[in-house]
Amino acid sequence: DSGVTQTPKHLITATGQRVTLRCSPRSGDLSVYWYQQSLDQGLQFLIQYYNGEERAKGNILERFSAQQFPDLHSELNLSSLELGDSALYFCASSVEQGWAGEQYFGPGTRLTVT
Amino acid sequence: AQTVTQSQPEMSVQEAETVTLSCTYDTSESDYYLFWYKQPPSRQMILVIRQEAYKQQNATENRFSVNFQKAAKSFSLKISDSQLGDAAMYFCAYRSGISGNTPLVFGKGTRLSVIA
Repeated sequence: DSGVTQTPKHLITATGQRVTLRCSPRSGDLSVYWYQQSLDQGLQFLIQYYNGEERAKGNILERFSAQQFPDLHSELNLSSLELGDSALYFCASSVEQGWAGEQYFGPGTRLTVT
Repeated sequence: AQTVTQSQPEMSVQEAETVTLSCTYDTSESDYYLFWYKQPPSRQMILVIRQEAYKQQNATENRFSVNFQKAAKSFSLKISDSQLGDAAMYFCAYRSGISGNTPLVFGKGTRLSVIA
């Protein structure tokens, strides 16, 4: 158990819908990262938050957005869903300062868009 | 931008034997970290081993060791005495060490099968 929690574990929804994925980082970790794992694109970085502020953006679509709340949990919002958005979405967390900045991954949310 | 390449989509090894998974990366940075993550069928991402670029000594964690060749930008993972539980997808990952914590850049992965 990495200490990072993600809910829900599975999500099935229809095209055009909007969903929210939730992540709670390990206690004390200030940075949260979102990654998408799909069959064709592999593991891709989406976005990073540090202590409530956006720190870095990767290949995140405009239909997707995220935020980190004062209690440090984070939410990833996916809207106008398309079939191609079906993927495993991981959240990871890390302390800001660490000898290797190891990122701890949650169990992921499997999103299926039908 | 940094890239990570894993040229072996699939590998297999006999139980108790040794296998080496390859990884190369491209970067112009001198300060960075390299990782191997394991993803078993449960889909959980598990850190196997890490290496700091400034360290010449290769990292070792029990049956797992790396061969880090900085000049060649190569970072291979050796699994000794392979066990059935080692069967998984293995991802090589790069993280810039320039400023604070930065995102991981992953390779496409190598699927390892362990034959009893």
